[in-house]
Amino acid sequence: KNEVEQSPQNLTAQEGEFITINCSYSVGISALHWLQQHPGGGIVSLFMLSSGKKKHGRLIATINIQEKHSSLHITASHPRDSAVYICAVSRNQFYFGTGTSLTVIP
Amino acid sequence: KAGVTQTPRYLIKTRGQQVTLSCSPISGHRSVSWYQQTPGQGLQFLFEYFSETQRNKGNFPGRFSGRQFSNSRSEMNVSTLELGDSALYLCASSLRVTGQETQYFGPGTRLLVL
Repeated sequence: KNEVEQSPQNLTAQEGEFITINCSYSVGISALHWLQQHPGGGIVSLFMLSSGKKKHGRLIATINIQEKHSSLHITASHPRDSAVYICAVSRNQFYFGTGTSLTVIP
Repeated sequence: KAGVTQTPRYLIKTRGQQVTLSCSPISGHRSVSWYQQTPGQGLQFLFEYFSETQRNKGNFPGRFSGRQFSNSRSEMNVSTLELGDSALYLCASSLRVTGQETQYFGPGTRLLVL
């Protein structure tokens, strides 16, 4: 059983669309992280959340601690947003979701 | 500030050999974590070092080991390589203890075991 479940696994969107990626977890956590991985492997940390909501540019991340659920939203999606988005939760170590592969078509 | 660097970037080894990978964290960062990424298992936590001490270890066999030096640089070693060890190995650094703040990832070392 995975401690972190993500959905959807794959997502194709038209440029400009609003995108939502969901993450559910089953363990107690210190924080939840959203990561972005581009082809070639490099990983960038987008958000770290322990409560509420954070916004950075067109990206918004929310977390509901009681429901053990987080969402990553991308507004006005762009082809450069195409990447794998990974949800991770941290306690005394990291537990990772399997990732959502996003393709944004011009 | 320079980012996290990993060497080598690519490596080909044969079964039974051993390999050492190196990670230099961002200057001032004292925590270094190592991860394995494979198409089948995704990202998995290997271990974390903080101030030269291993703080946490994931569910990997004893063939996987690591250490951290006084300058926070870290190495991981895999002995008696198996085909299944072929993966992208990533390290990440943070100022303090992993899990409580943002991690900064290196570009990874891609290991192929033949």
